[in-house]
Amino acid sequence: GQQLNQSPQSMFIQEGEDVSMNCTSSSIFNTWLWYKQDPGEGPVLLIALYKAGELTSNGRLTAQFGITRKDSFLNISASIPSDVGIYFCAGQGNSGYALNFGKGTSLLVTP
Amino acid sequence: DGGITQSPKYLFRKEGQNVTLSCEQNLNHDAMYWYRQDPGQGLRLIYYSQIVNDFQKGDIAEGYSVSREKKESFPLTVTSAQKNPTAFYLCASSLRVRTEAFFGQGTRLTVV
Repeated sequence: GQQLNQSPQSMFIQEGEDVSMNCTSSSIFNTWLWYKQDPGEGPVLLIALYKAGELTSNGRLTAQFGITRKDSFLNISASIPSDVGIYFCAGQGNSGYALNFGKGTSLLVTP
Repeated sequence: DGGITQSPKYLFRKEGQNVTLSCEQNLNHDAMYWYRQDPGQGLRLIYYSQIVNDFQKGDIAEGYSVSREKKESFPLTVTSAQKNPTAFYLCASSLRVRTEAFFGQGTRLTVV
């Protein structure tokens, strides 16, 4: 599968702060997805993006499909303690039939 | 309730034994997937299936086997040939390939 570079690897922030993370690929993707995983659980889909330049929100979460089709960004506004978890980007290009995943961004939020 | 069910949640096995992980979905999805997750790693694809009676190897298929006899079920067998089987295993499904995937709760396998 294709390698995705996700950054930062971890973030430690205070409640109320905004968070930004991103994901880049060495090749063009047609789909970008963002998931959140709580400890010991399966990932939960947060946002799906299908068009270059697309900007989509889900509550306090906003994600964008990069114009170059090689990157995507996830922003979380006004973070709260329940935002704690690992956030994964996933993408899919023209080759292969399954999603490629980044290594995740671990988010810790202090009250 | 619609969803993907993996069982058991925790599984312990002795080294050298084969073990089968269950994955069932009632979402009427055509495609199903098995991923392996190790600490600090992303999800790595083991096998996927686009349709009943068909499946393809992913990036790390060695030491694993699957079957897809029914649309709803995609069991994964971890064989004794898998050199480092202790991991968190995640099953997913999607309406068809190249659409968003939804995950089960995972099975944590520990081989001692």
